[in-house]
Amino acid sequence: QSALTQPASVSGSPGQSITISCTATSSDIVGYNYVSWYQQHPGKAPKLMIYDVSRRPSGVSNRFSGSKSGNTASLTISGLQAEDEADYYCSSETSSSTFVLFGGGTKLTVL
Amino acid sequence: EVQLLESGGGLLQPGGSLRLSCAASGFAFSSYAMTWVRQAPGKGLEWVSAIIGSGGSTYYADSVKGRFTISRDNSKNTLYLQMNSLRAEDTAVYYCAKAIVGIYYFDYWGQGTLVTVSS
Repeated sequence: QSALTQPASVSGSPGQSITISCTATSSDIVGYNYVSWYQQHPGKAPKLMIYDVSRRPSGVSNRFSGSKSGNTASLTISGLQAEDEADYYCSSETSSSTFVLFGGGTKLTVL
Repeated sequence: EVQLLESGGGLLQPGGSLRLSCAASGFAFSSYAMTWVRQAPGKGLEWVSAIIGSGGSTYYADSVKGRFTISRDNSKNTLYLQMNSLRAEDTAVYYCAKAIVGIYYFDYWGQGTLVTVSS
């Protein structure tokens, strides 16, 4: 079980907003500063959506935003669109000998 | 345009060895750390290994430490992953990815190459 816990699934209707949480459950996640989020469509490579907790790479829609409070990071998608349906993974640095950790992933369904 | 093209995947028996390659283009390869991330069939992402731009420092997940070796040839703009003592649980699609800064964020990914370890 990952030390970054995400809900297995979330859903929303077009136009709505949804939030995916990512909770650090291990003491290995110290600081929890280098948080990022990836989107992955079936059969495709992951795509970086958010890094440094809340920064968007060039070309990523401003409908995607990131935040963090305590040991929980969140990805919010506003104005949900059908193309947003995908798996989403959070990631963080760890203080353990495994330097980078991914959450278990969340399947977003657009109803 | 940044491009990453993995190759070298295949089917092999437990205990075998394989070397993956990732040919990079469209950016100053030697200036960026690179990483390997894998995804077992139907499962989530797992970080495997990373190497800084100069190749002087390498990092490994506990699950592969001592069995896998990451390396790079900056003269050929190519990243490698030497995998030894392969196990069934190493079966996955292996992606190479370019880091933005440091080794924590990956902004460009290859299409992946499938490694299947089975008897």
